Amino acid sequence: AQTVTQSQPEMSVQEAETVTLSCTYDTSESDYYLFWYKQPPSRQMILVIRQEAYKQQNATENRFSVNFQKAAKSFSLKISDSQLGDAAMYFCAYRSALLMDSSYKLIFGSGTRLLVRP
Amino acid sequence: GAVVSQHPSWVICKSGTSVKIECRSLDFQATTMFWYRQFPKQSLMLMATSNEGSKATYEQGVEKDKFLINHASLTLSTLTVTSAHPEDSSFYICSARKVLGNTIYFGEGSWLTVV
Repeated sequence: AQTVTQSQPEMSVQEAETVTLSCTYDTSESDYYLFWYKQPPSRQMILVIRQEAYKQQNATENRFSVNFQKAAKSFSLKISDSQLGDAAMYFCAYRSALLMDSSYKLIFGSGTRLLVRP
Repeated sequence: GAVVSQHPSWVICKSGTSVKIECRSLDFQATTMFWYRQFPKQSLMLMATSNEGSKATYEQGVEKDKFLINHASLTLSTLTVTSAHPEDSSFYICSARKVLGNTIYFGEGSWLTVV
């Protein structure tokens, strides 16, 4: 079974600085997807960034980028120029790429609470 | 963008009663919906996968007779917590996958408090 591990329960960053959130995962599959979701106090899950395992290039979305190391099964999220609105829980998630309905289920890590200091 | 709506957002029920939470895809048809449970300060734990017109697939450890899931149409899945107890109090989130789609959309969640 696949597992996702986030070893940082909480991280703090100064506004405008850069912070990196860690995520490791375990799987025997060769093709899969990895995600970072943001959950603000409203509890709405917001997709931050997505990475396909078959792509070597790291995904980037504006101030958010990932460092995907497939061999090491590591998937960290870097937030540049941190803003107060970035404060939230961040969840790393795994999804199989197998073509079956149940493969679309997401397996989440335990989450990292990001605090942004003004 | 695709919208998934949950209703109610908040519900308080008495211990021993049943409560139903709806998950609707408002502007798309969802072949598959997923139900998650999130305890305070914890992660999302998948409870079950729901496919339109068929029985839900429950994750290990989830009581199917307690958490009844029905996916009667391509736009609606319901989670019924039967004979609710205080330990069932939690945040329940659904997500939906578009027919032939590759993207998952989350609802805004439902808080259940059993007193």
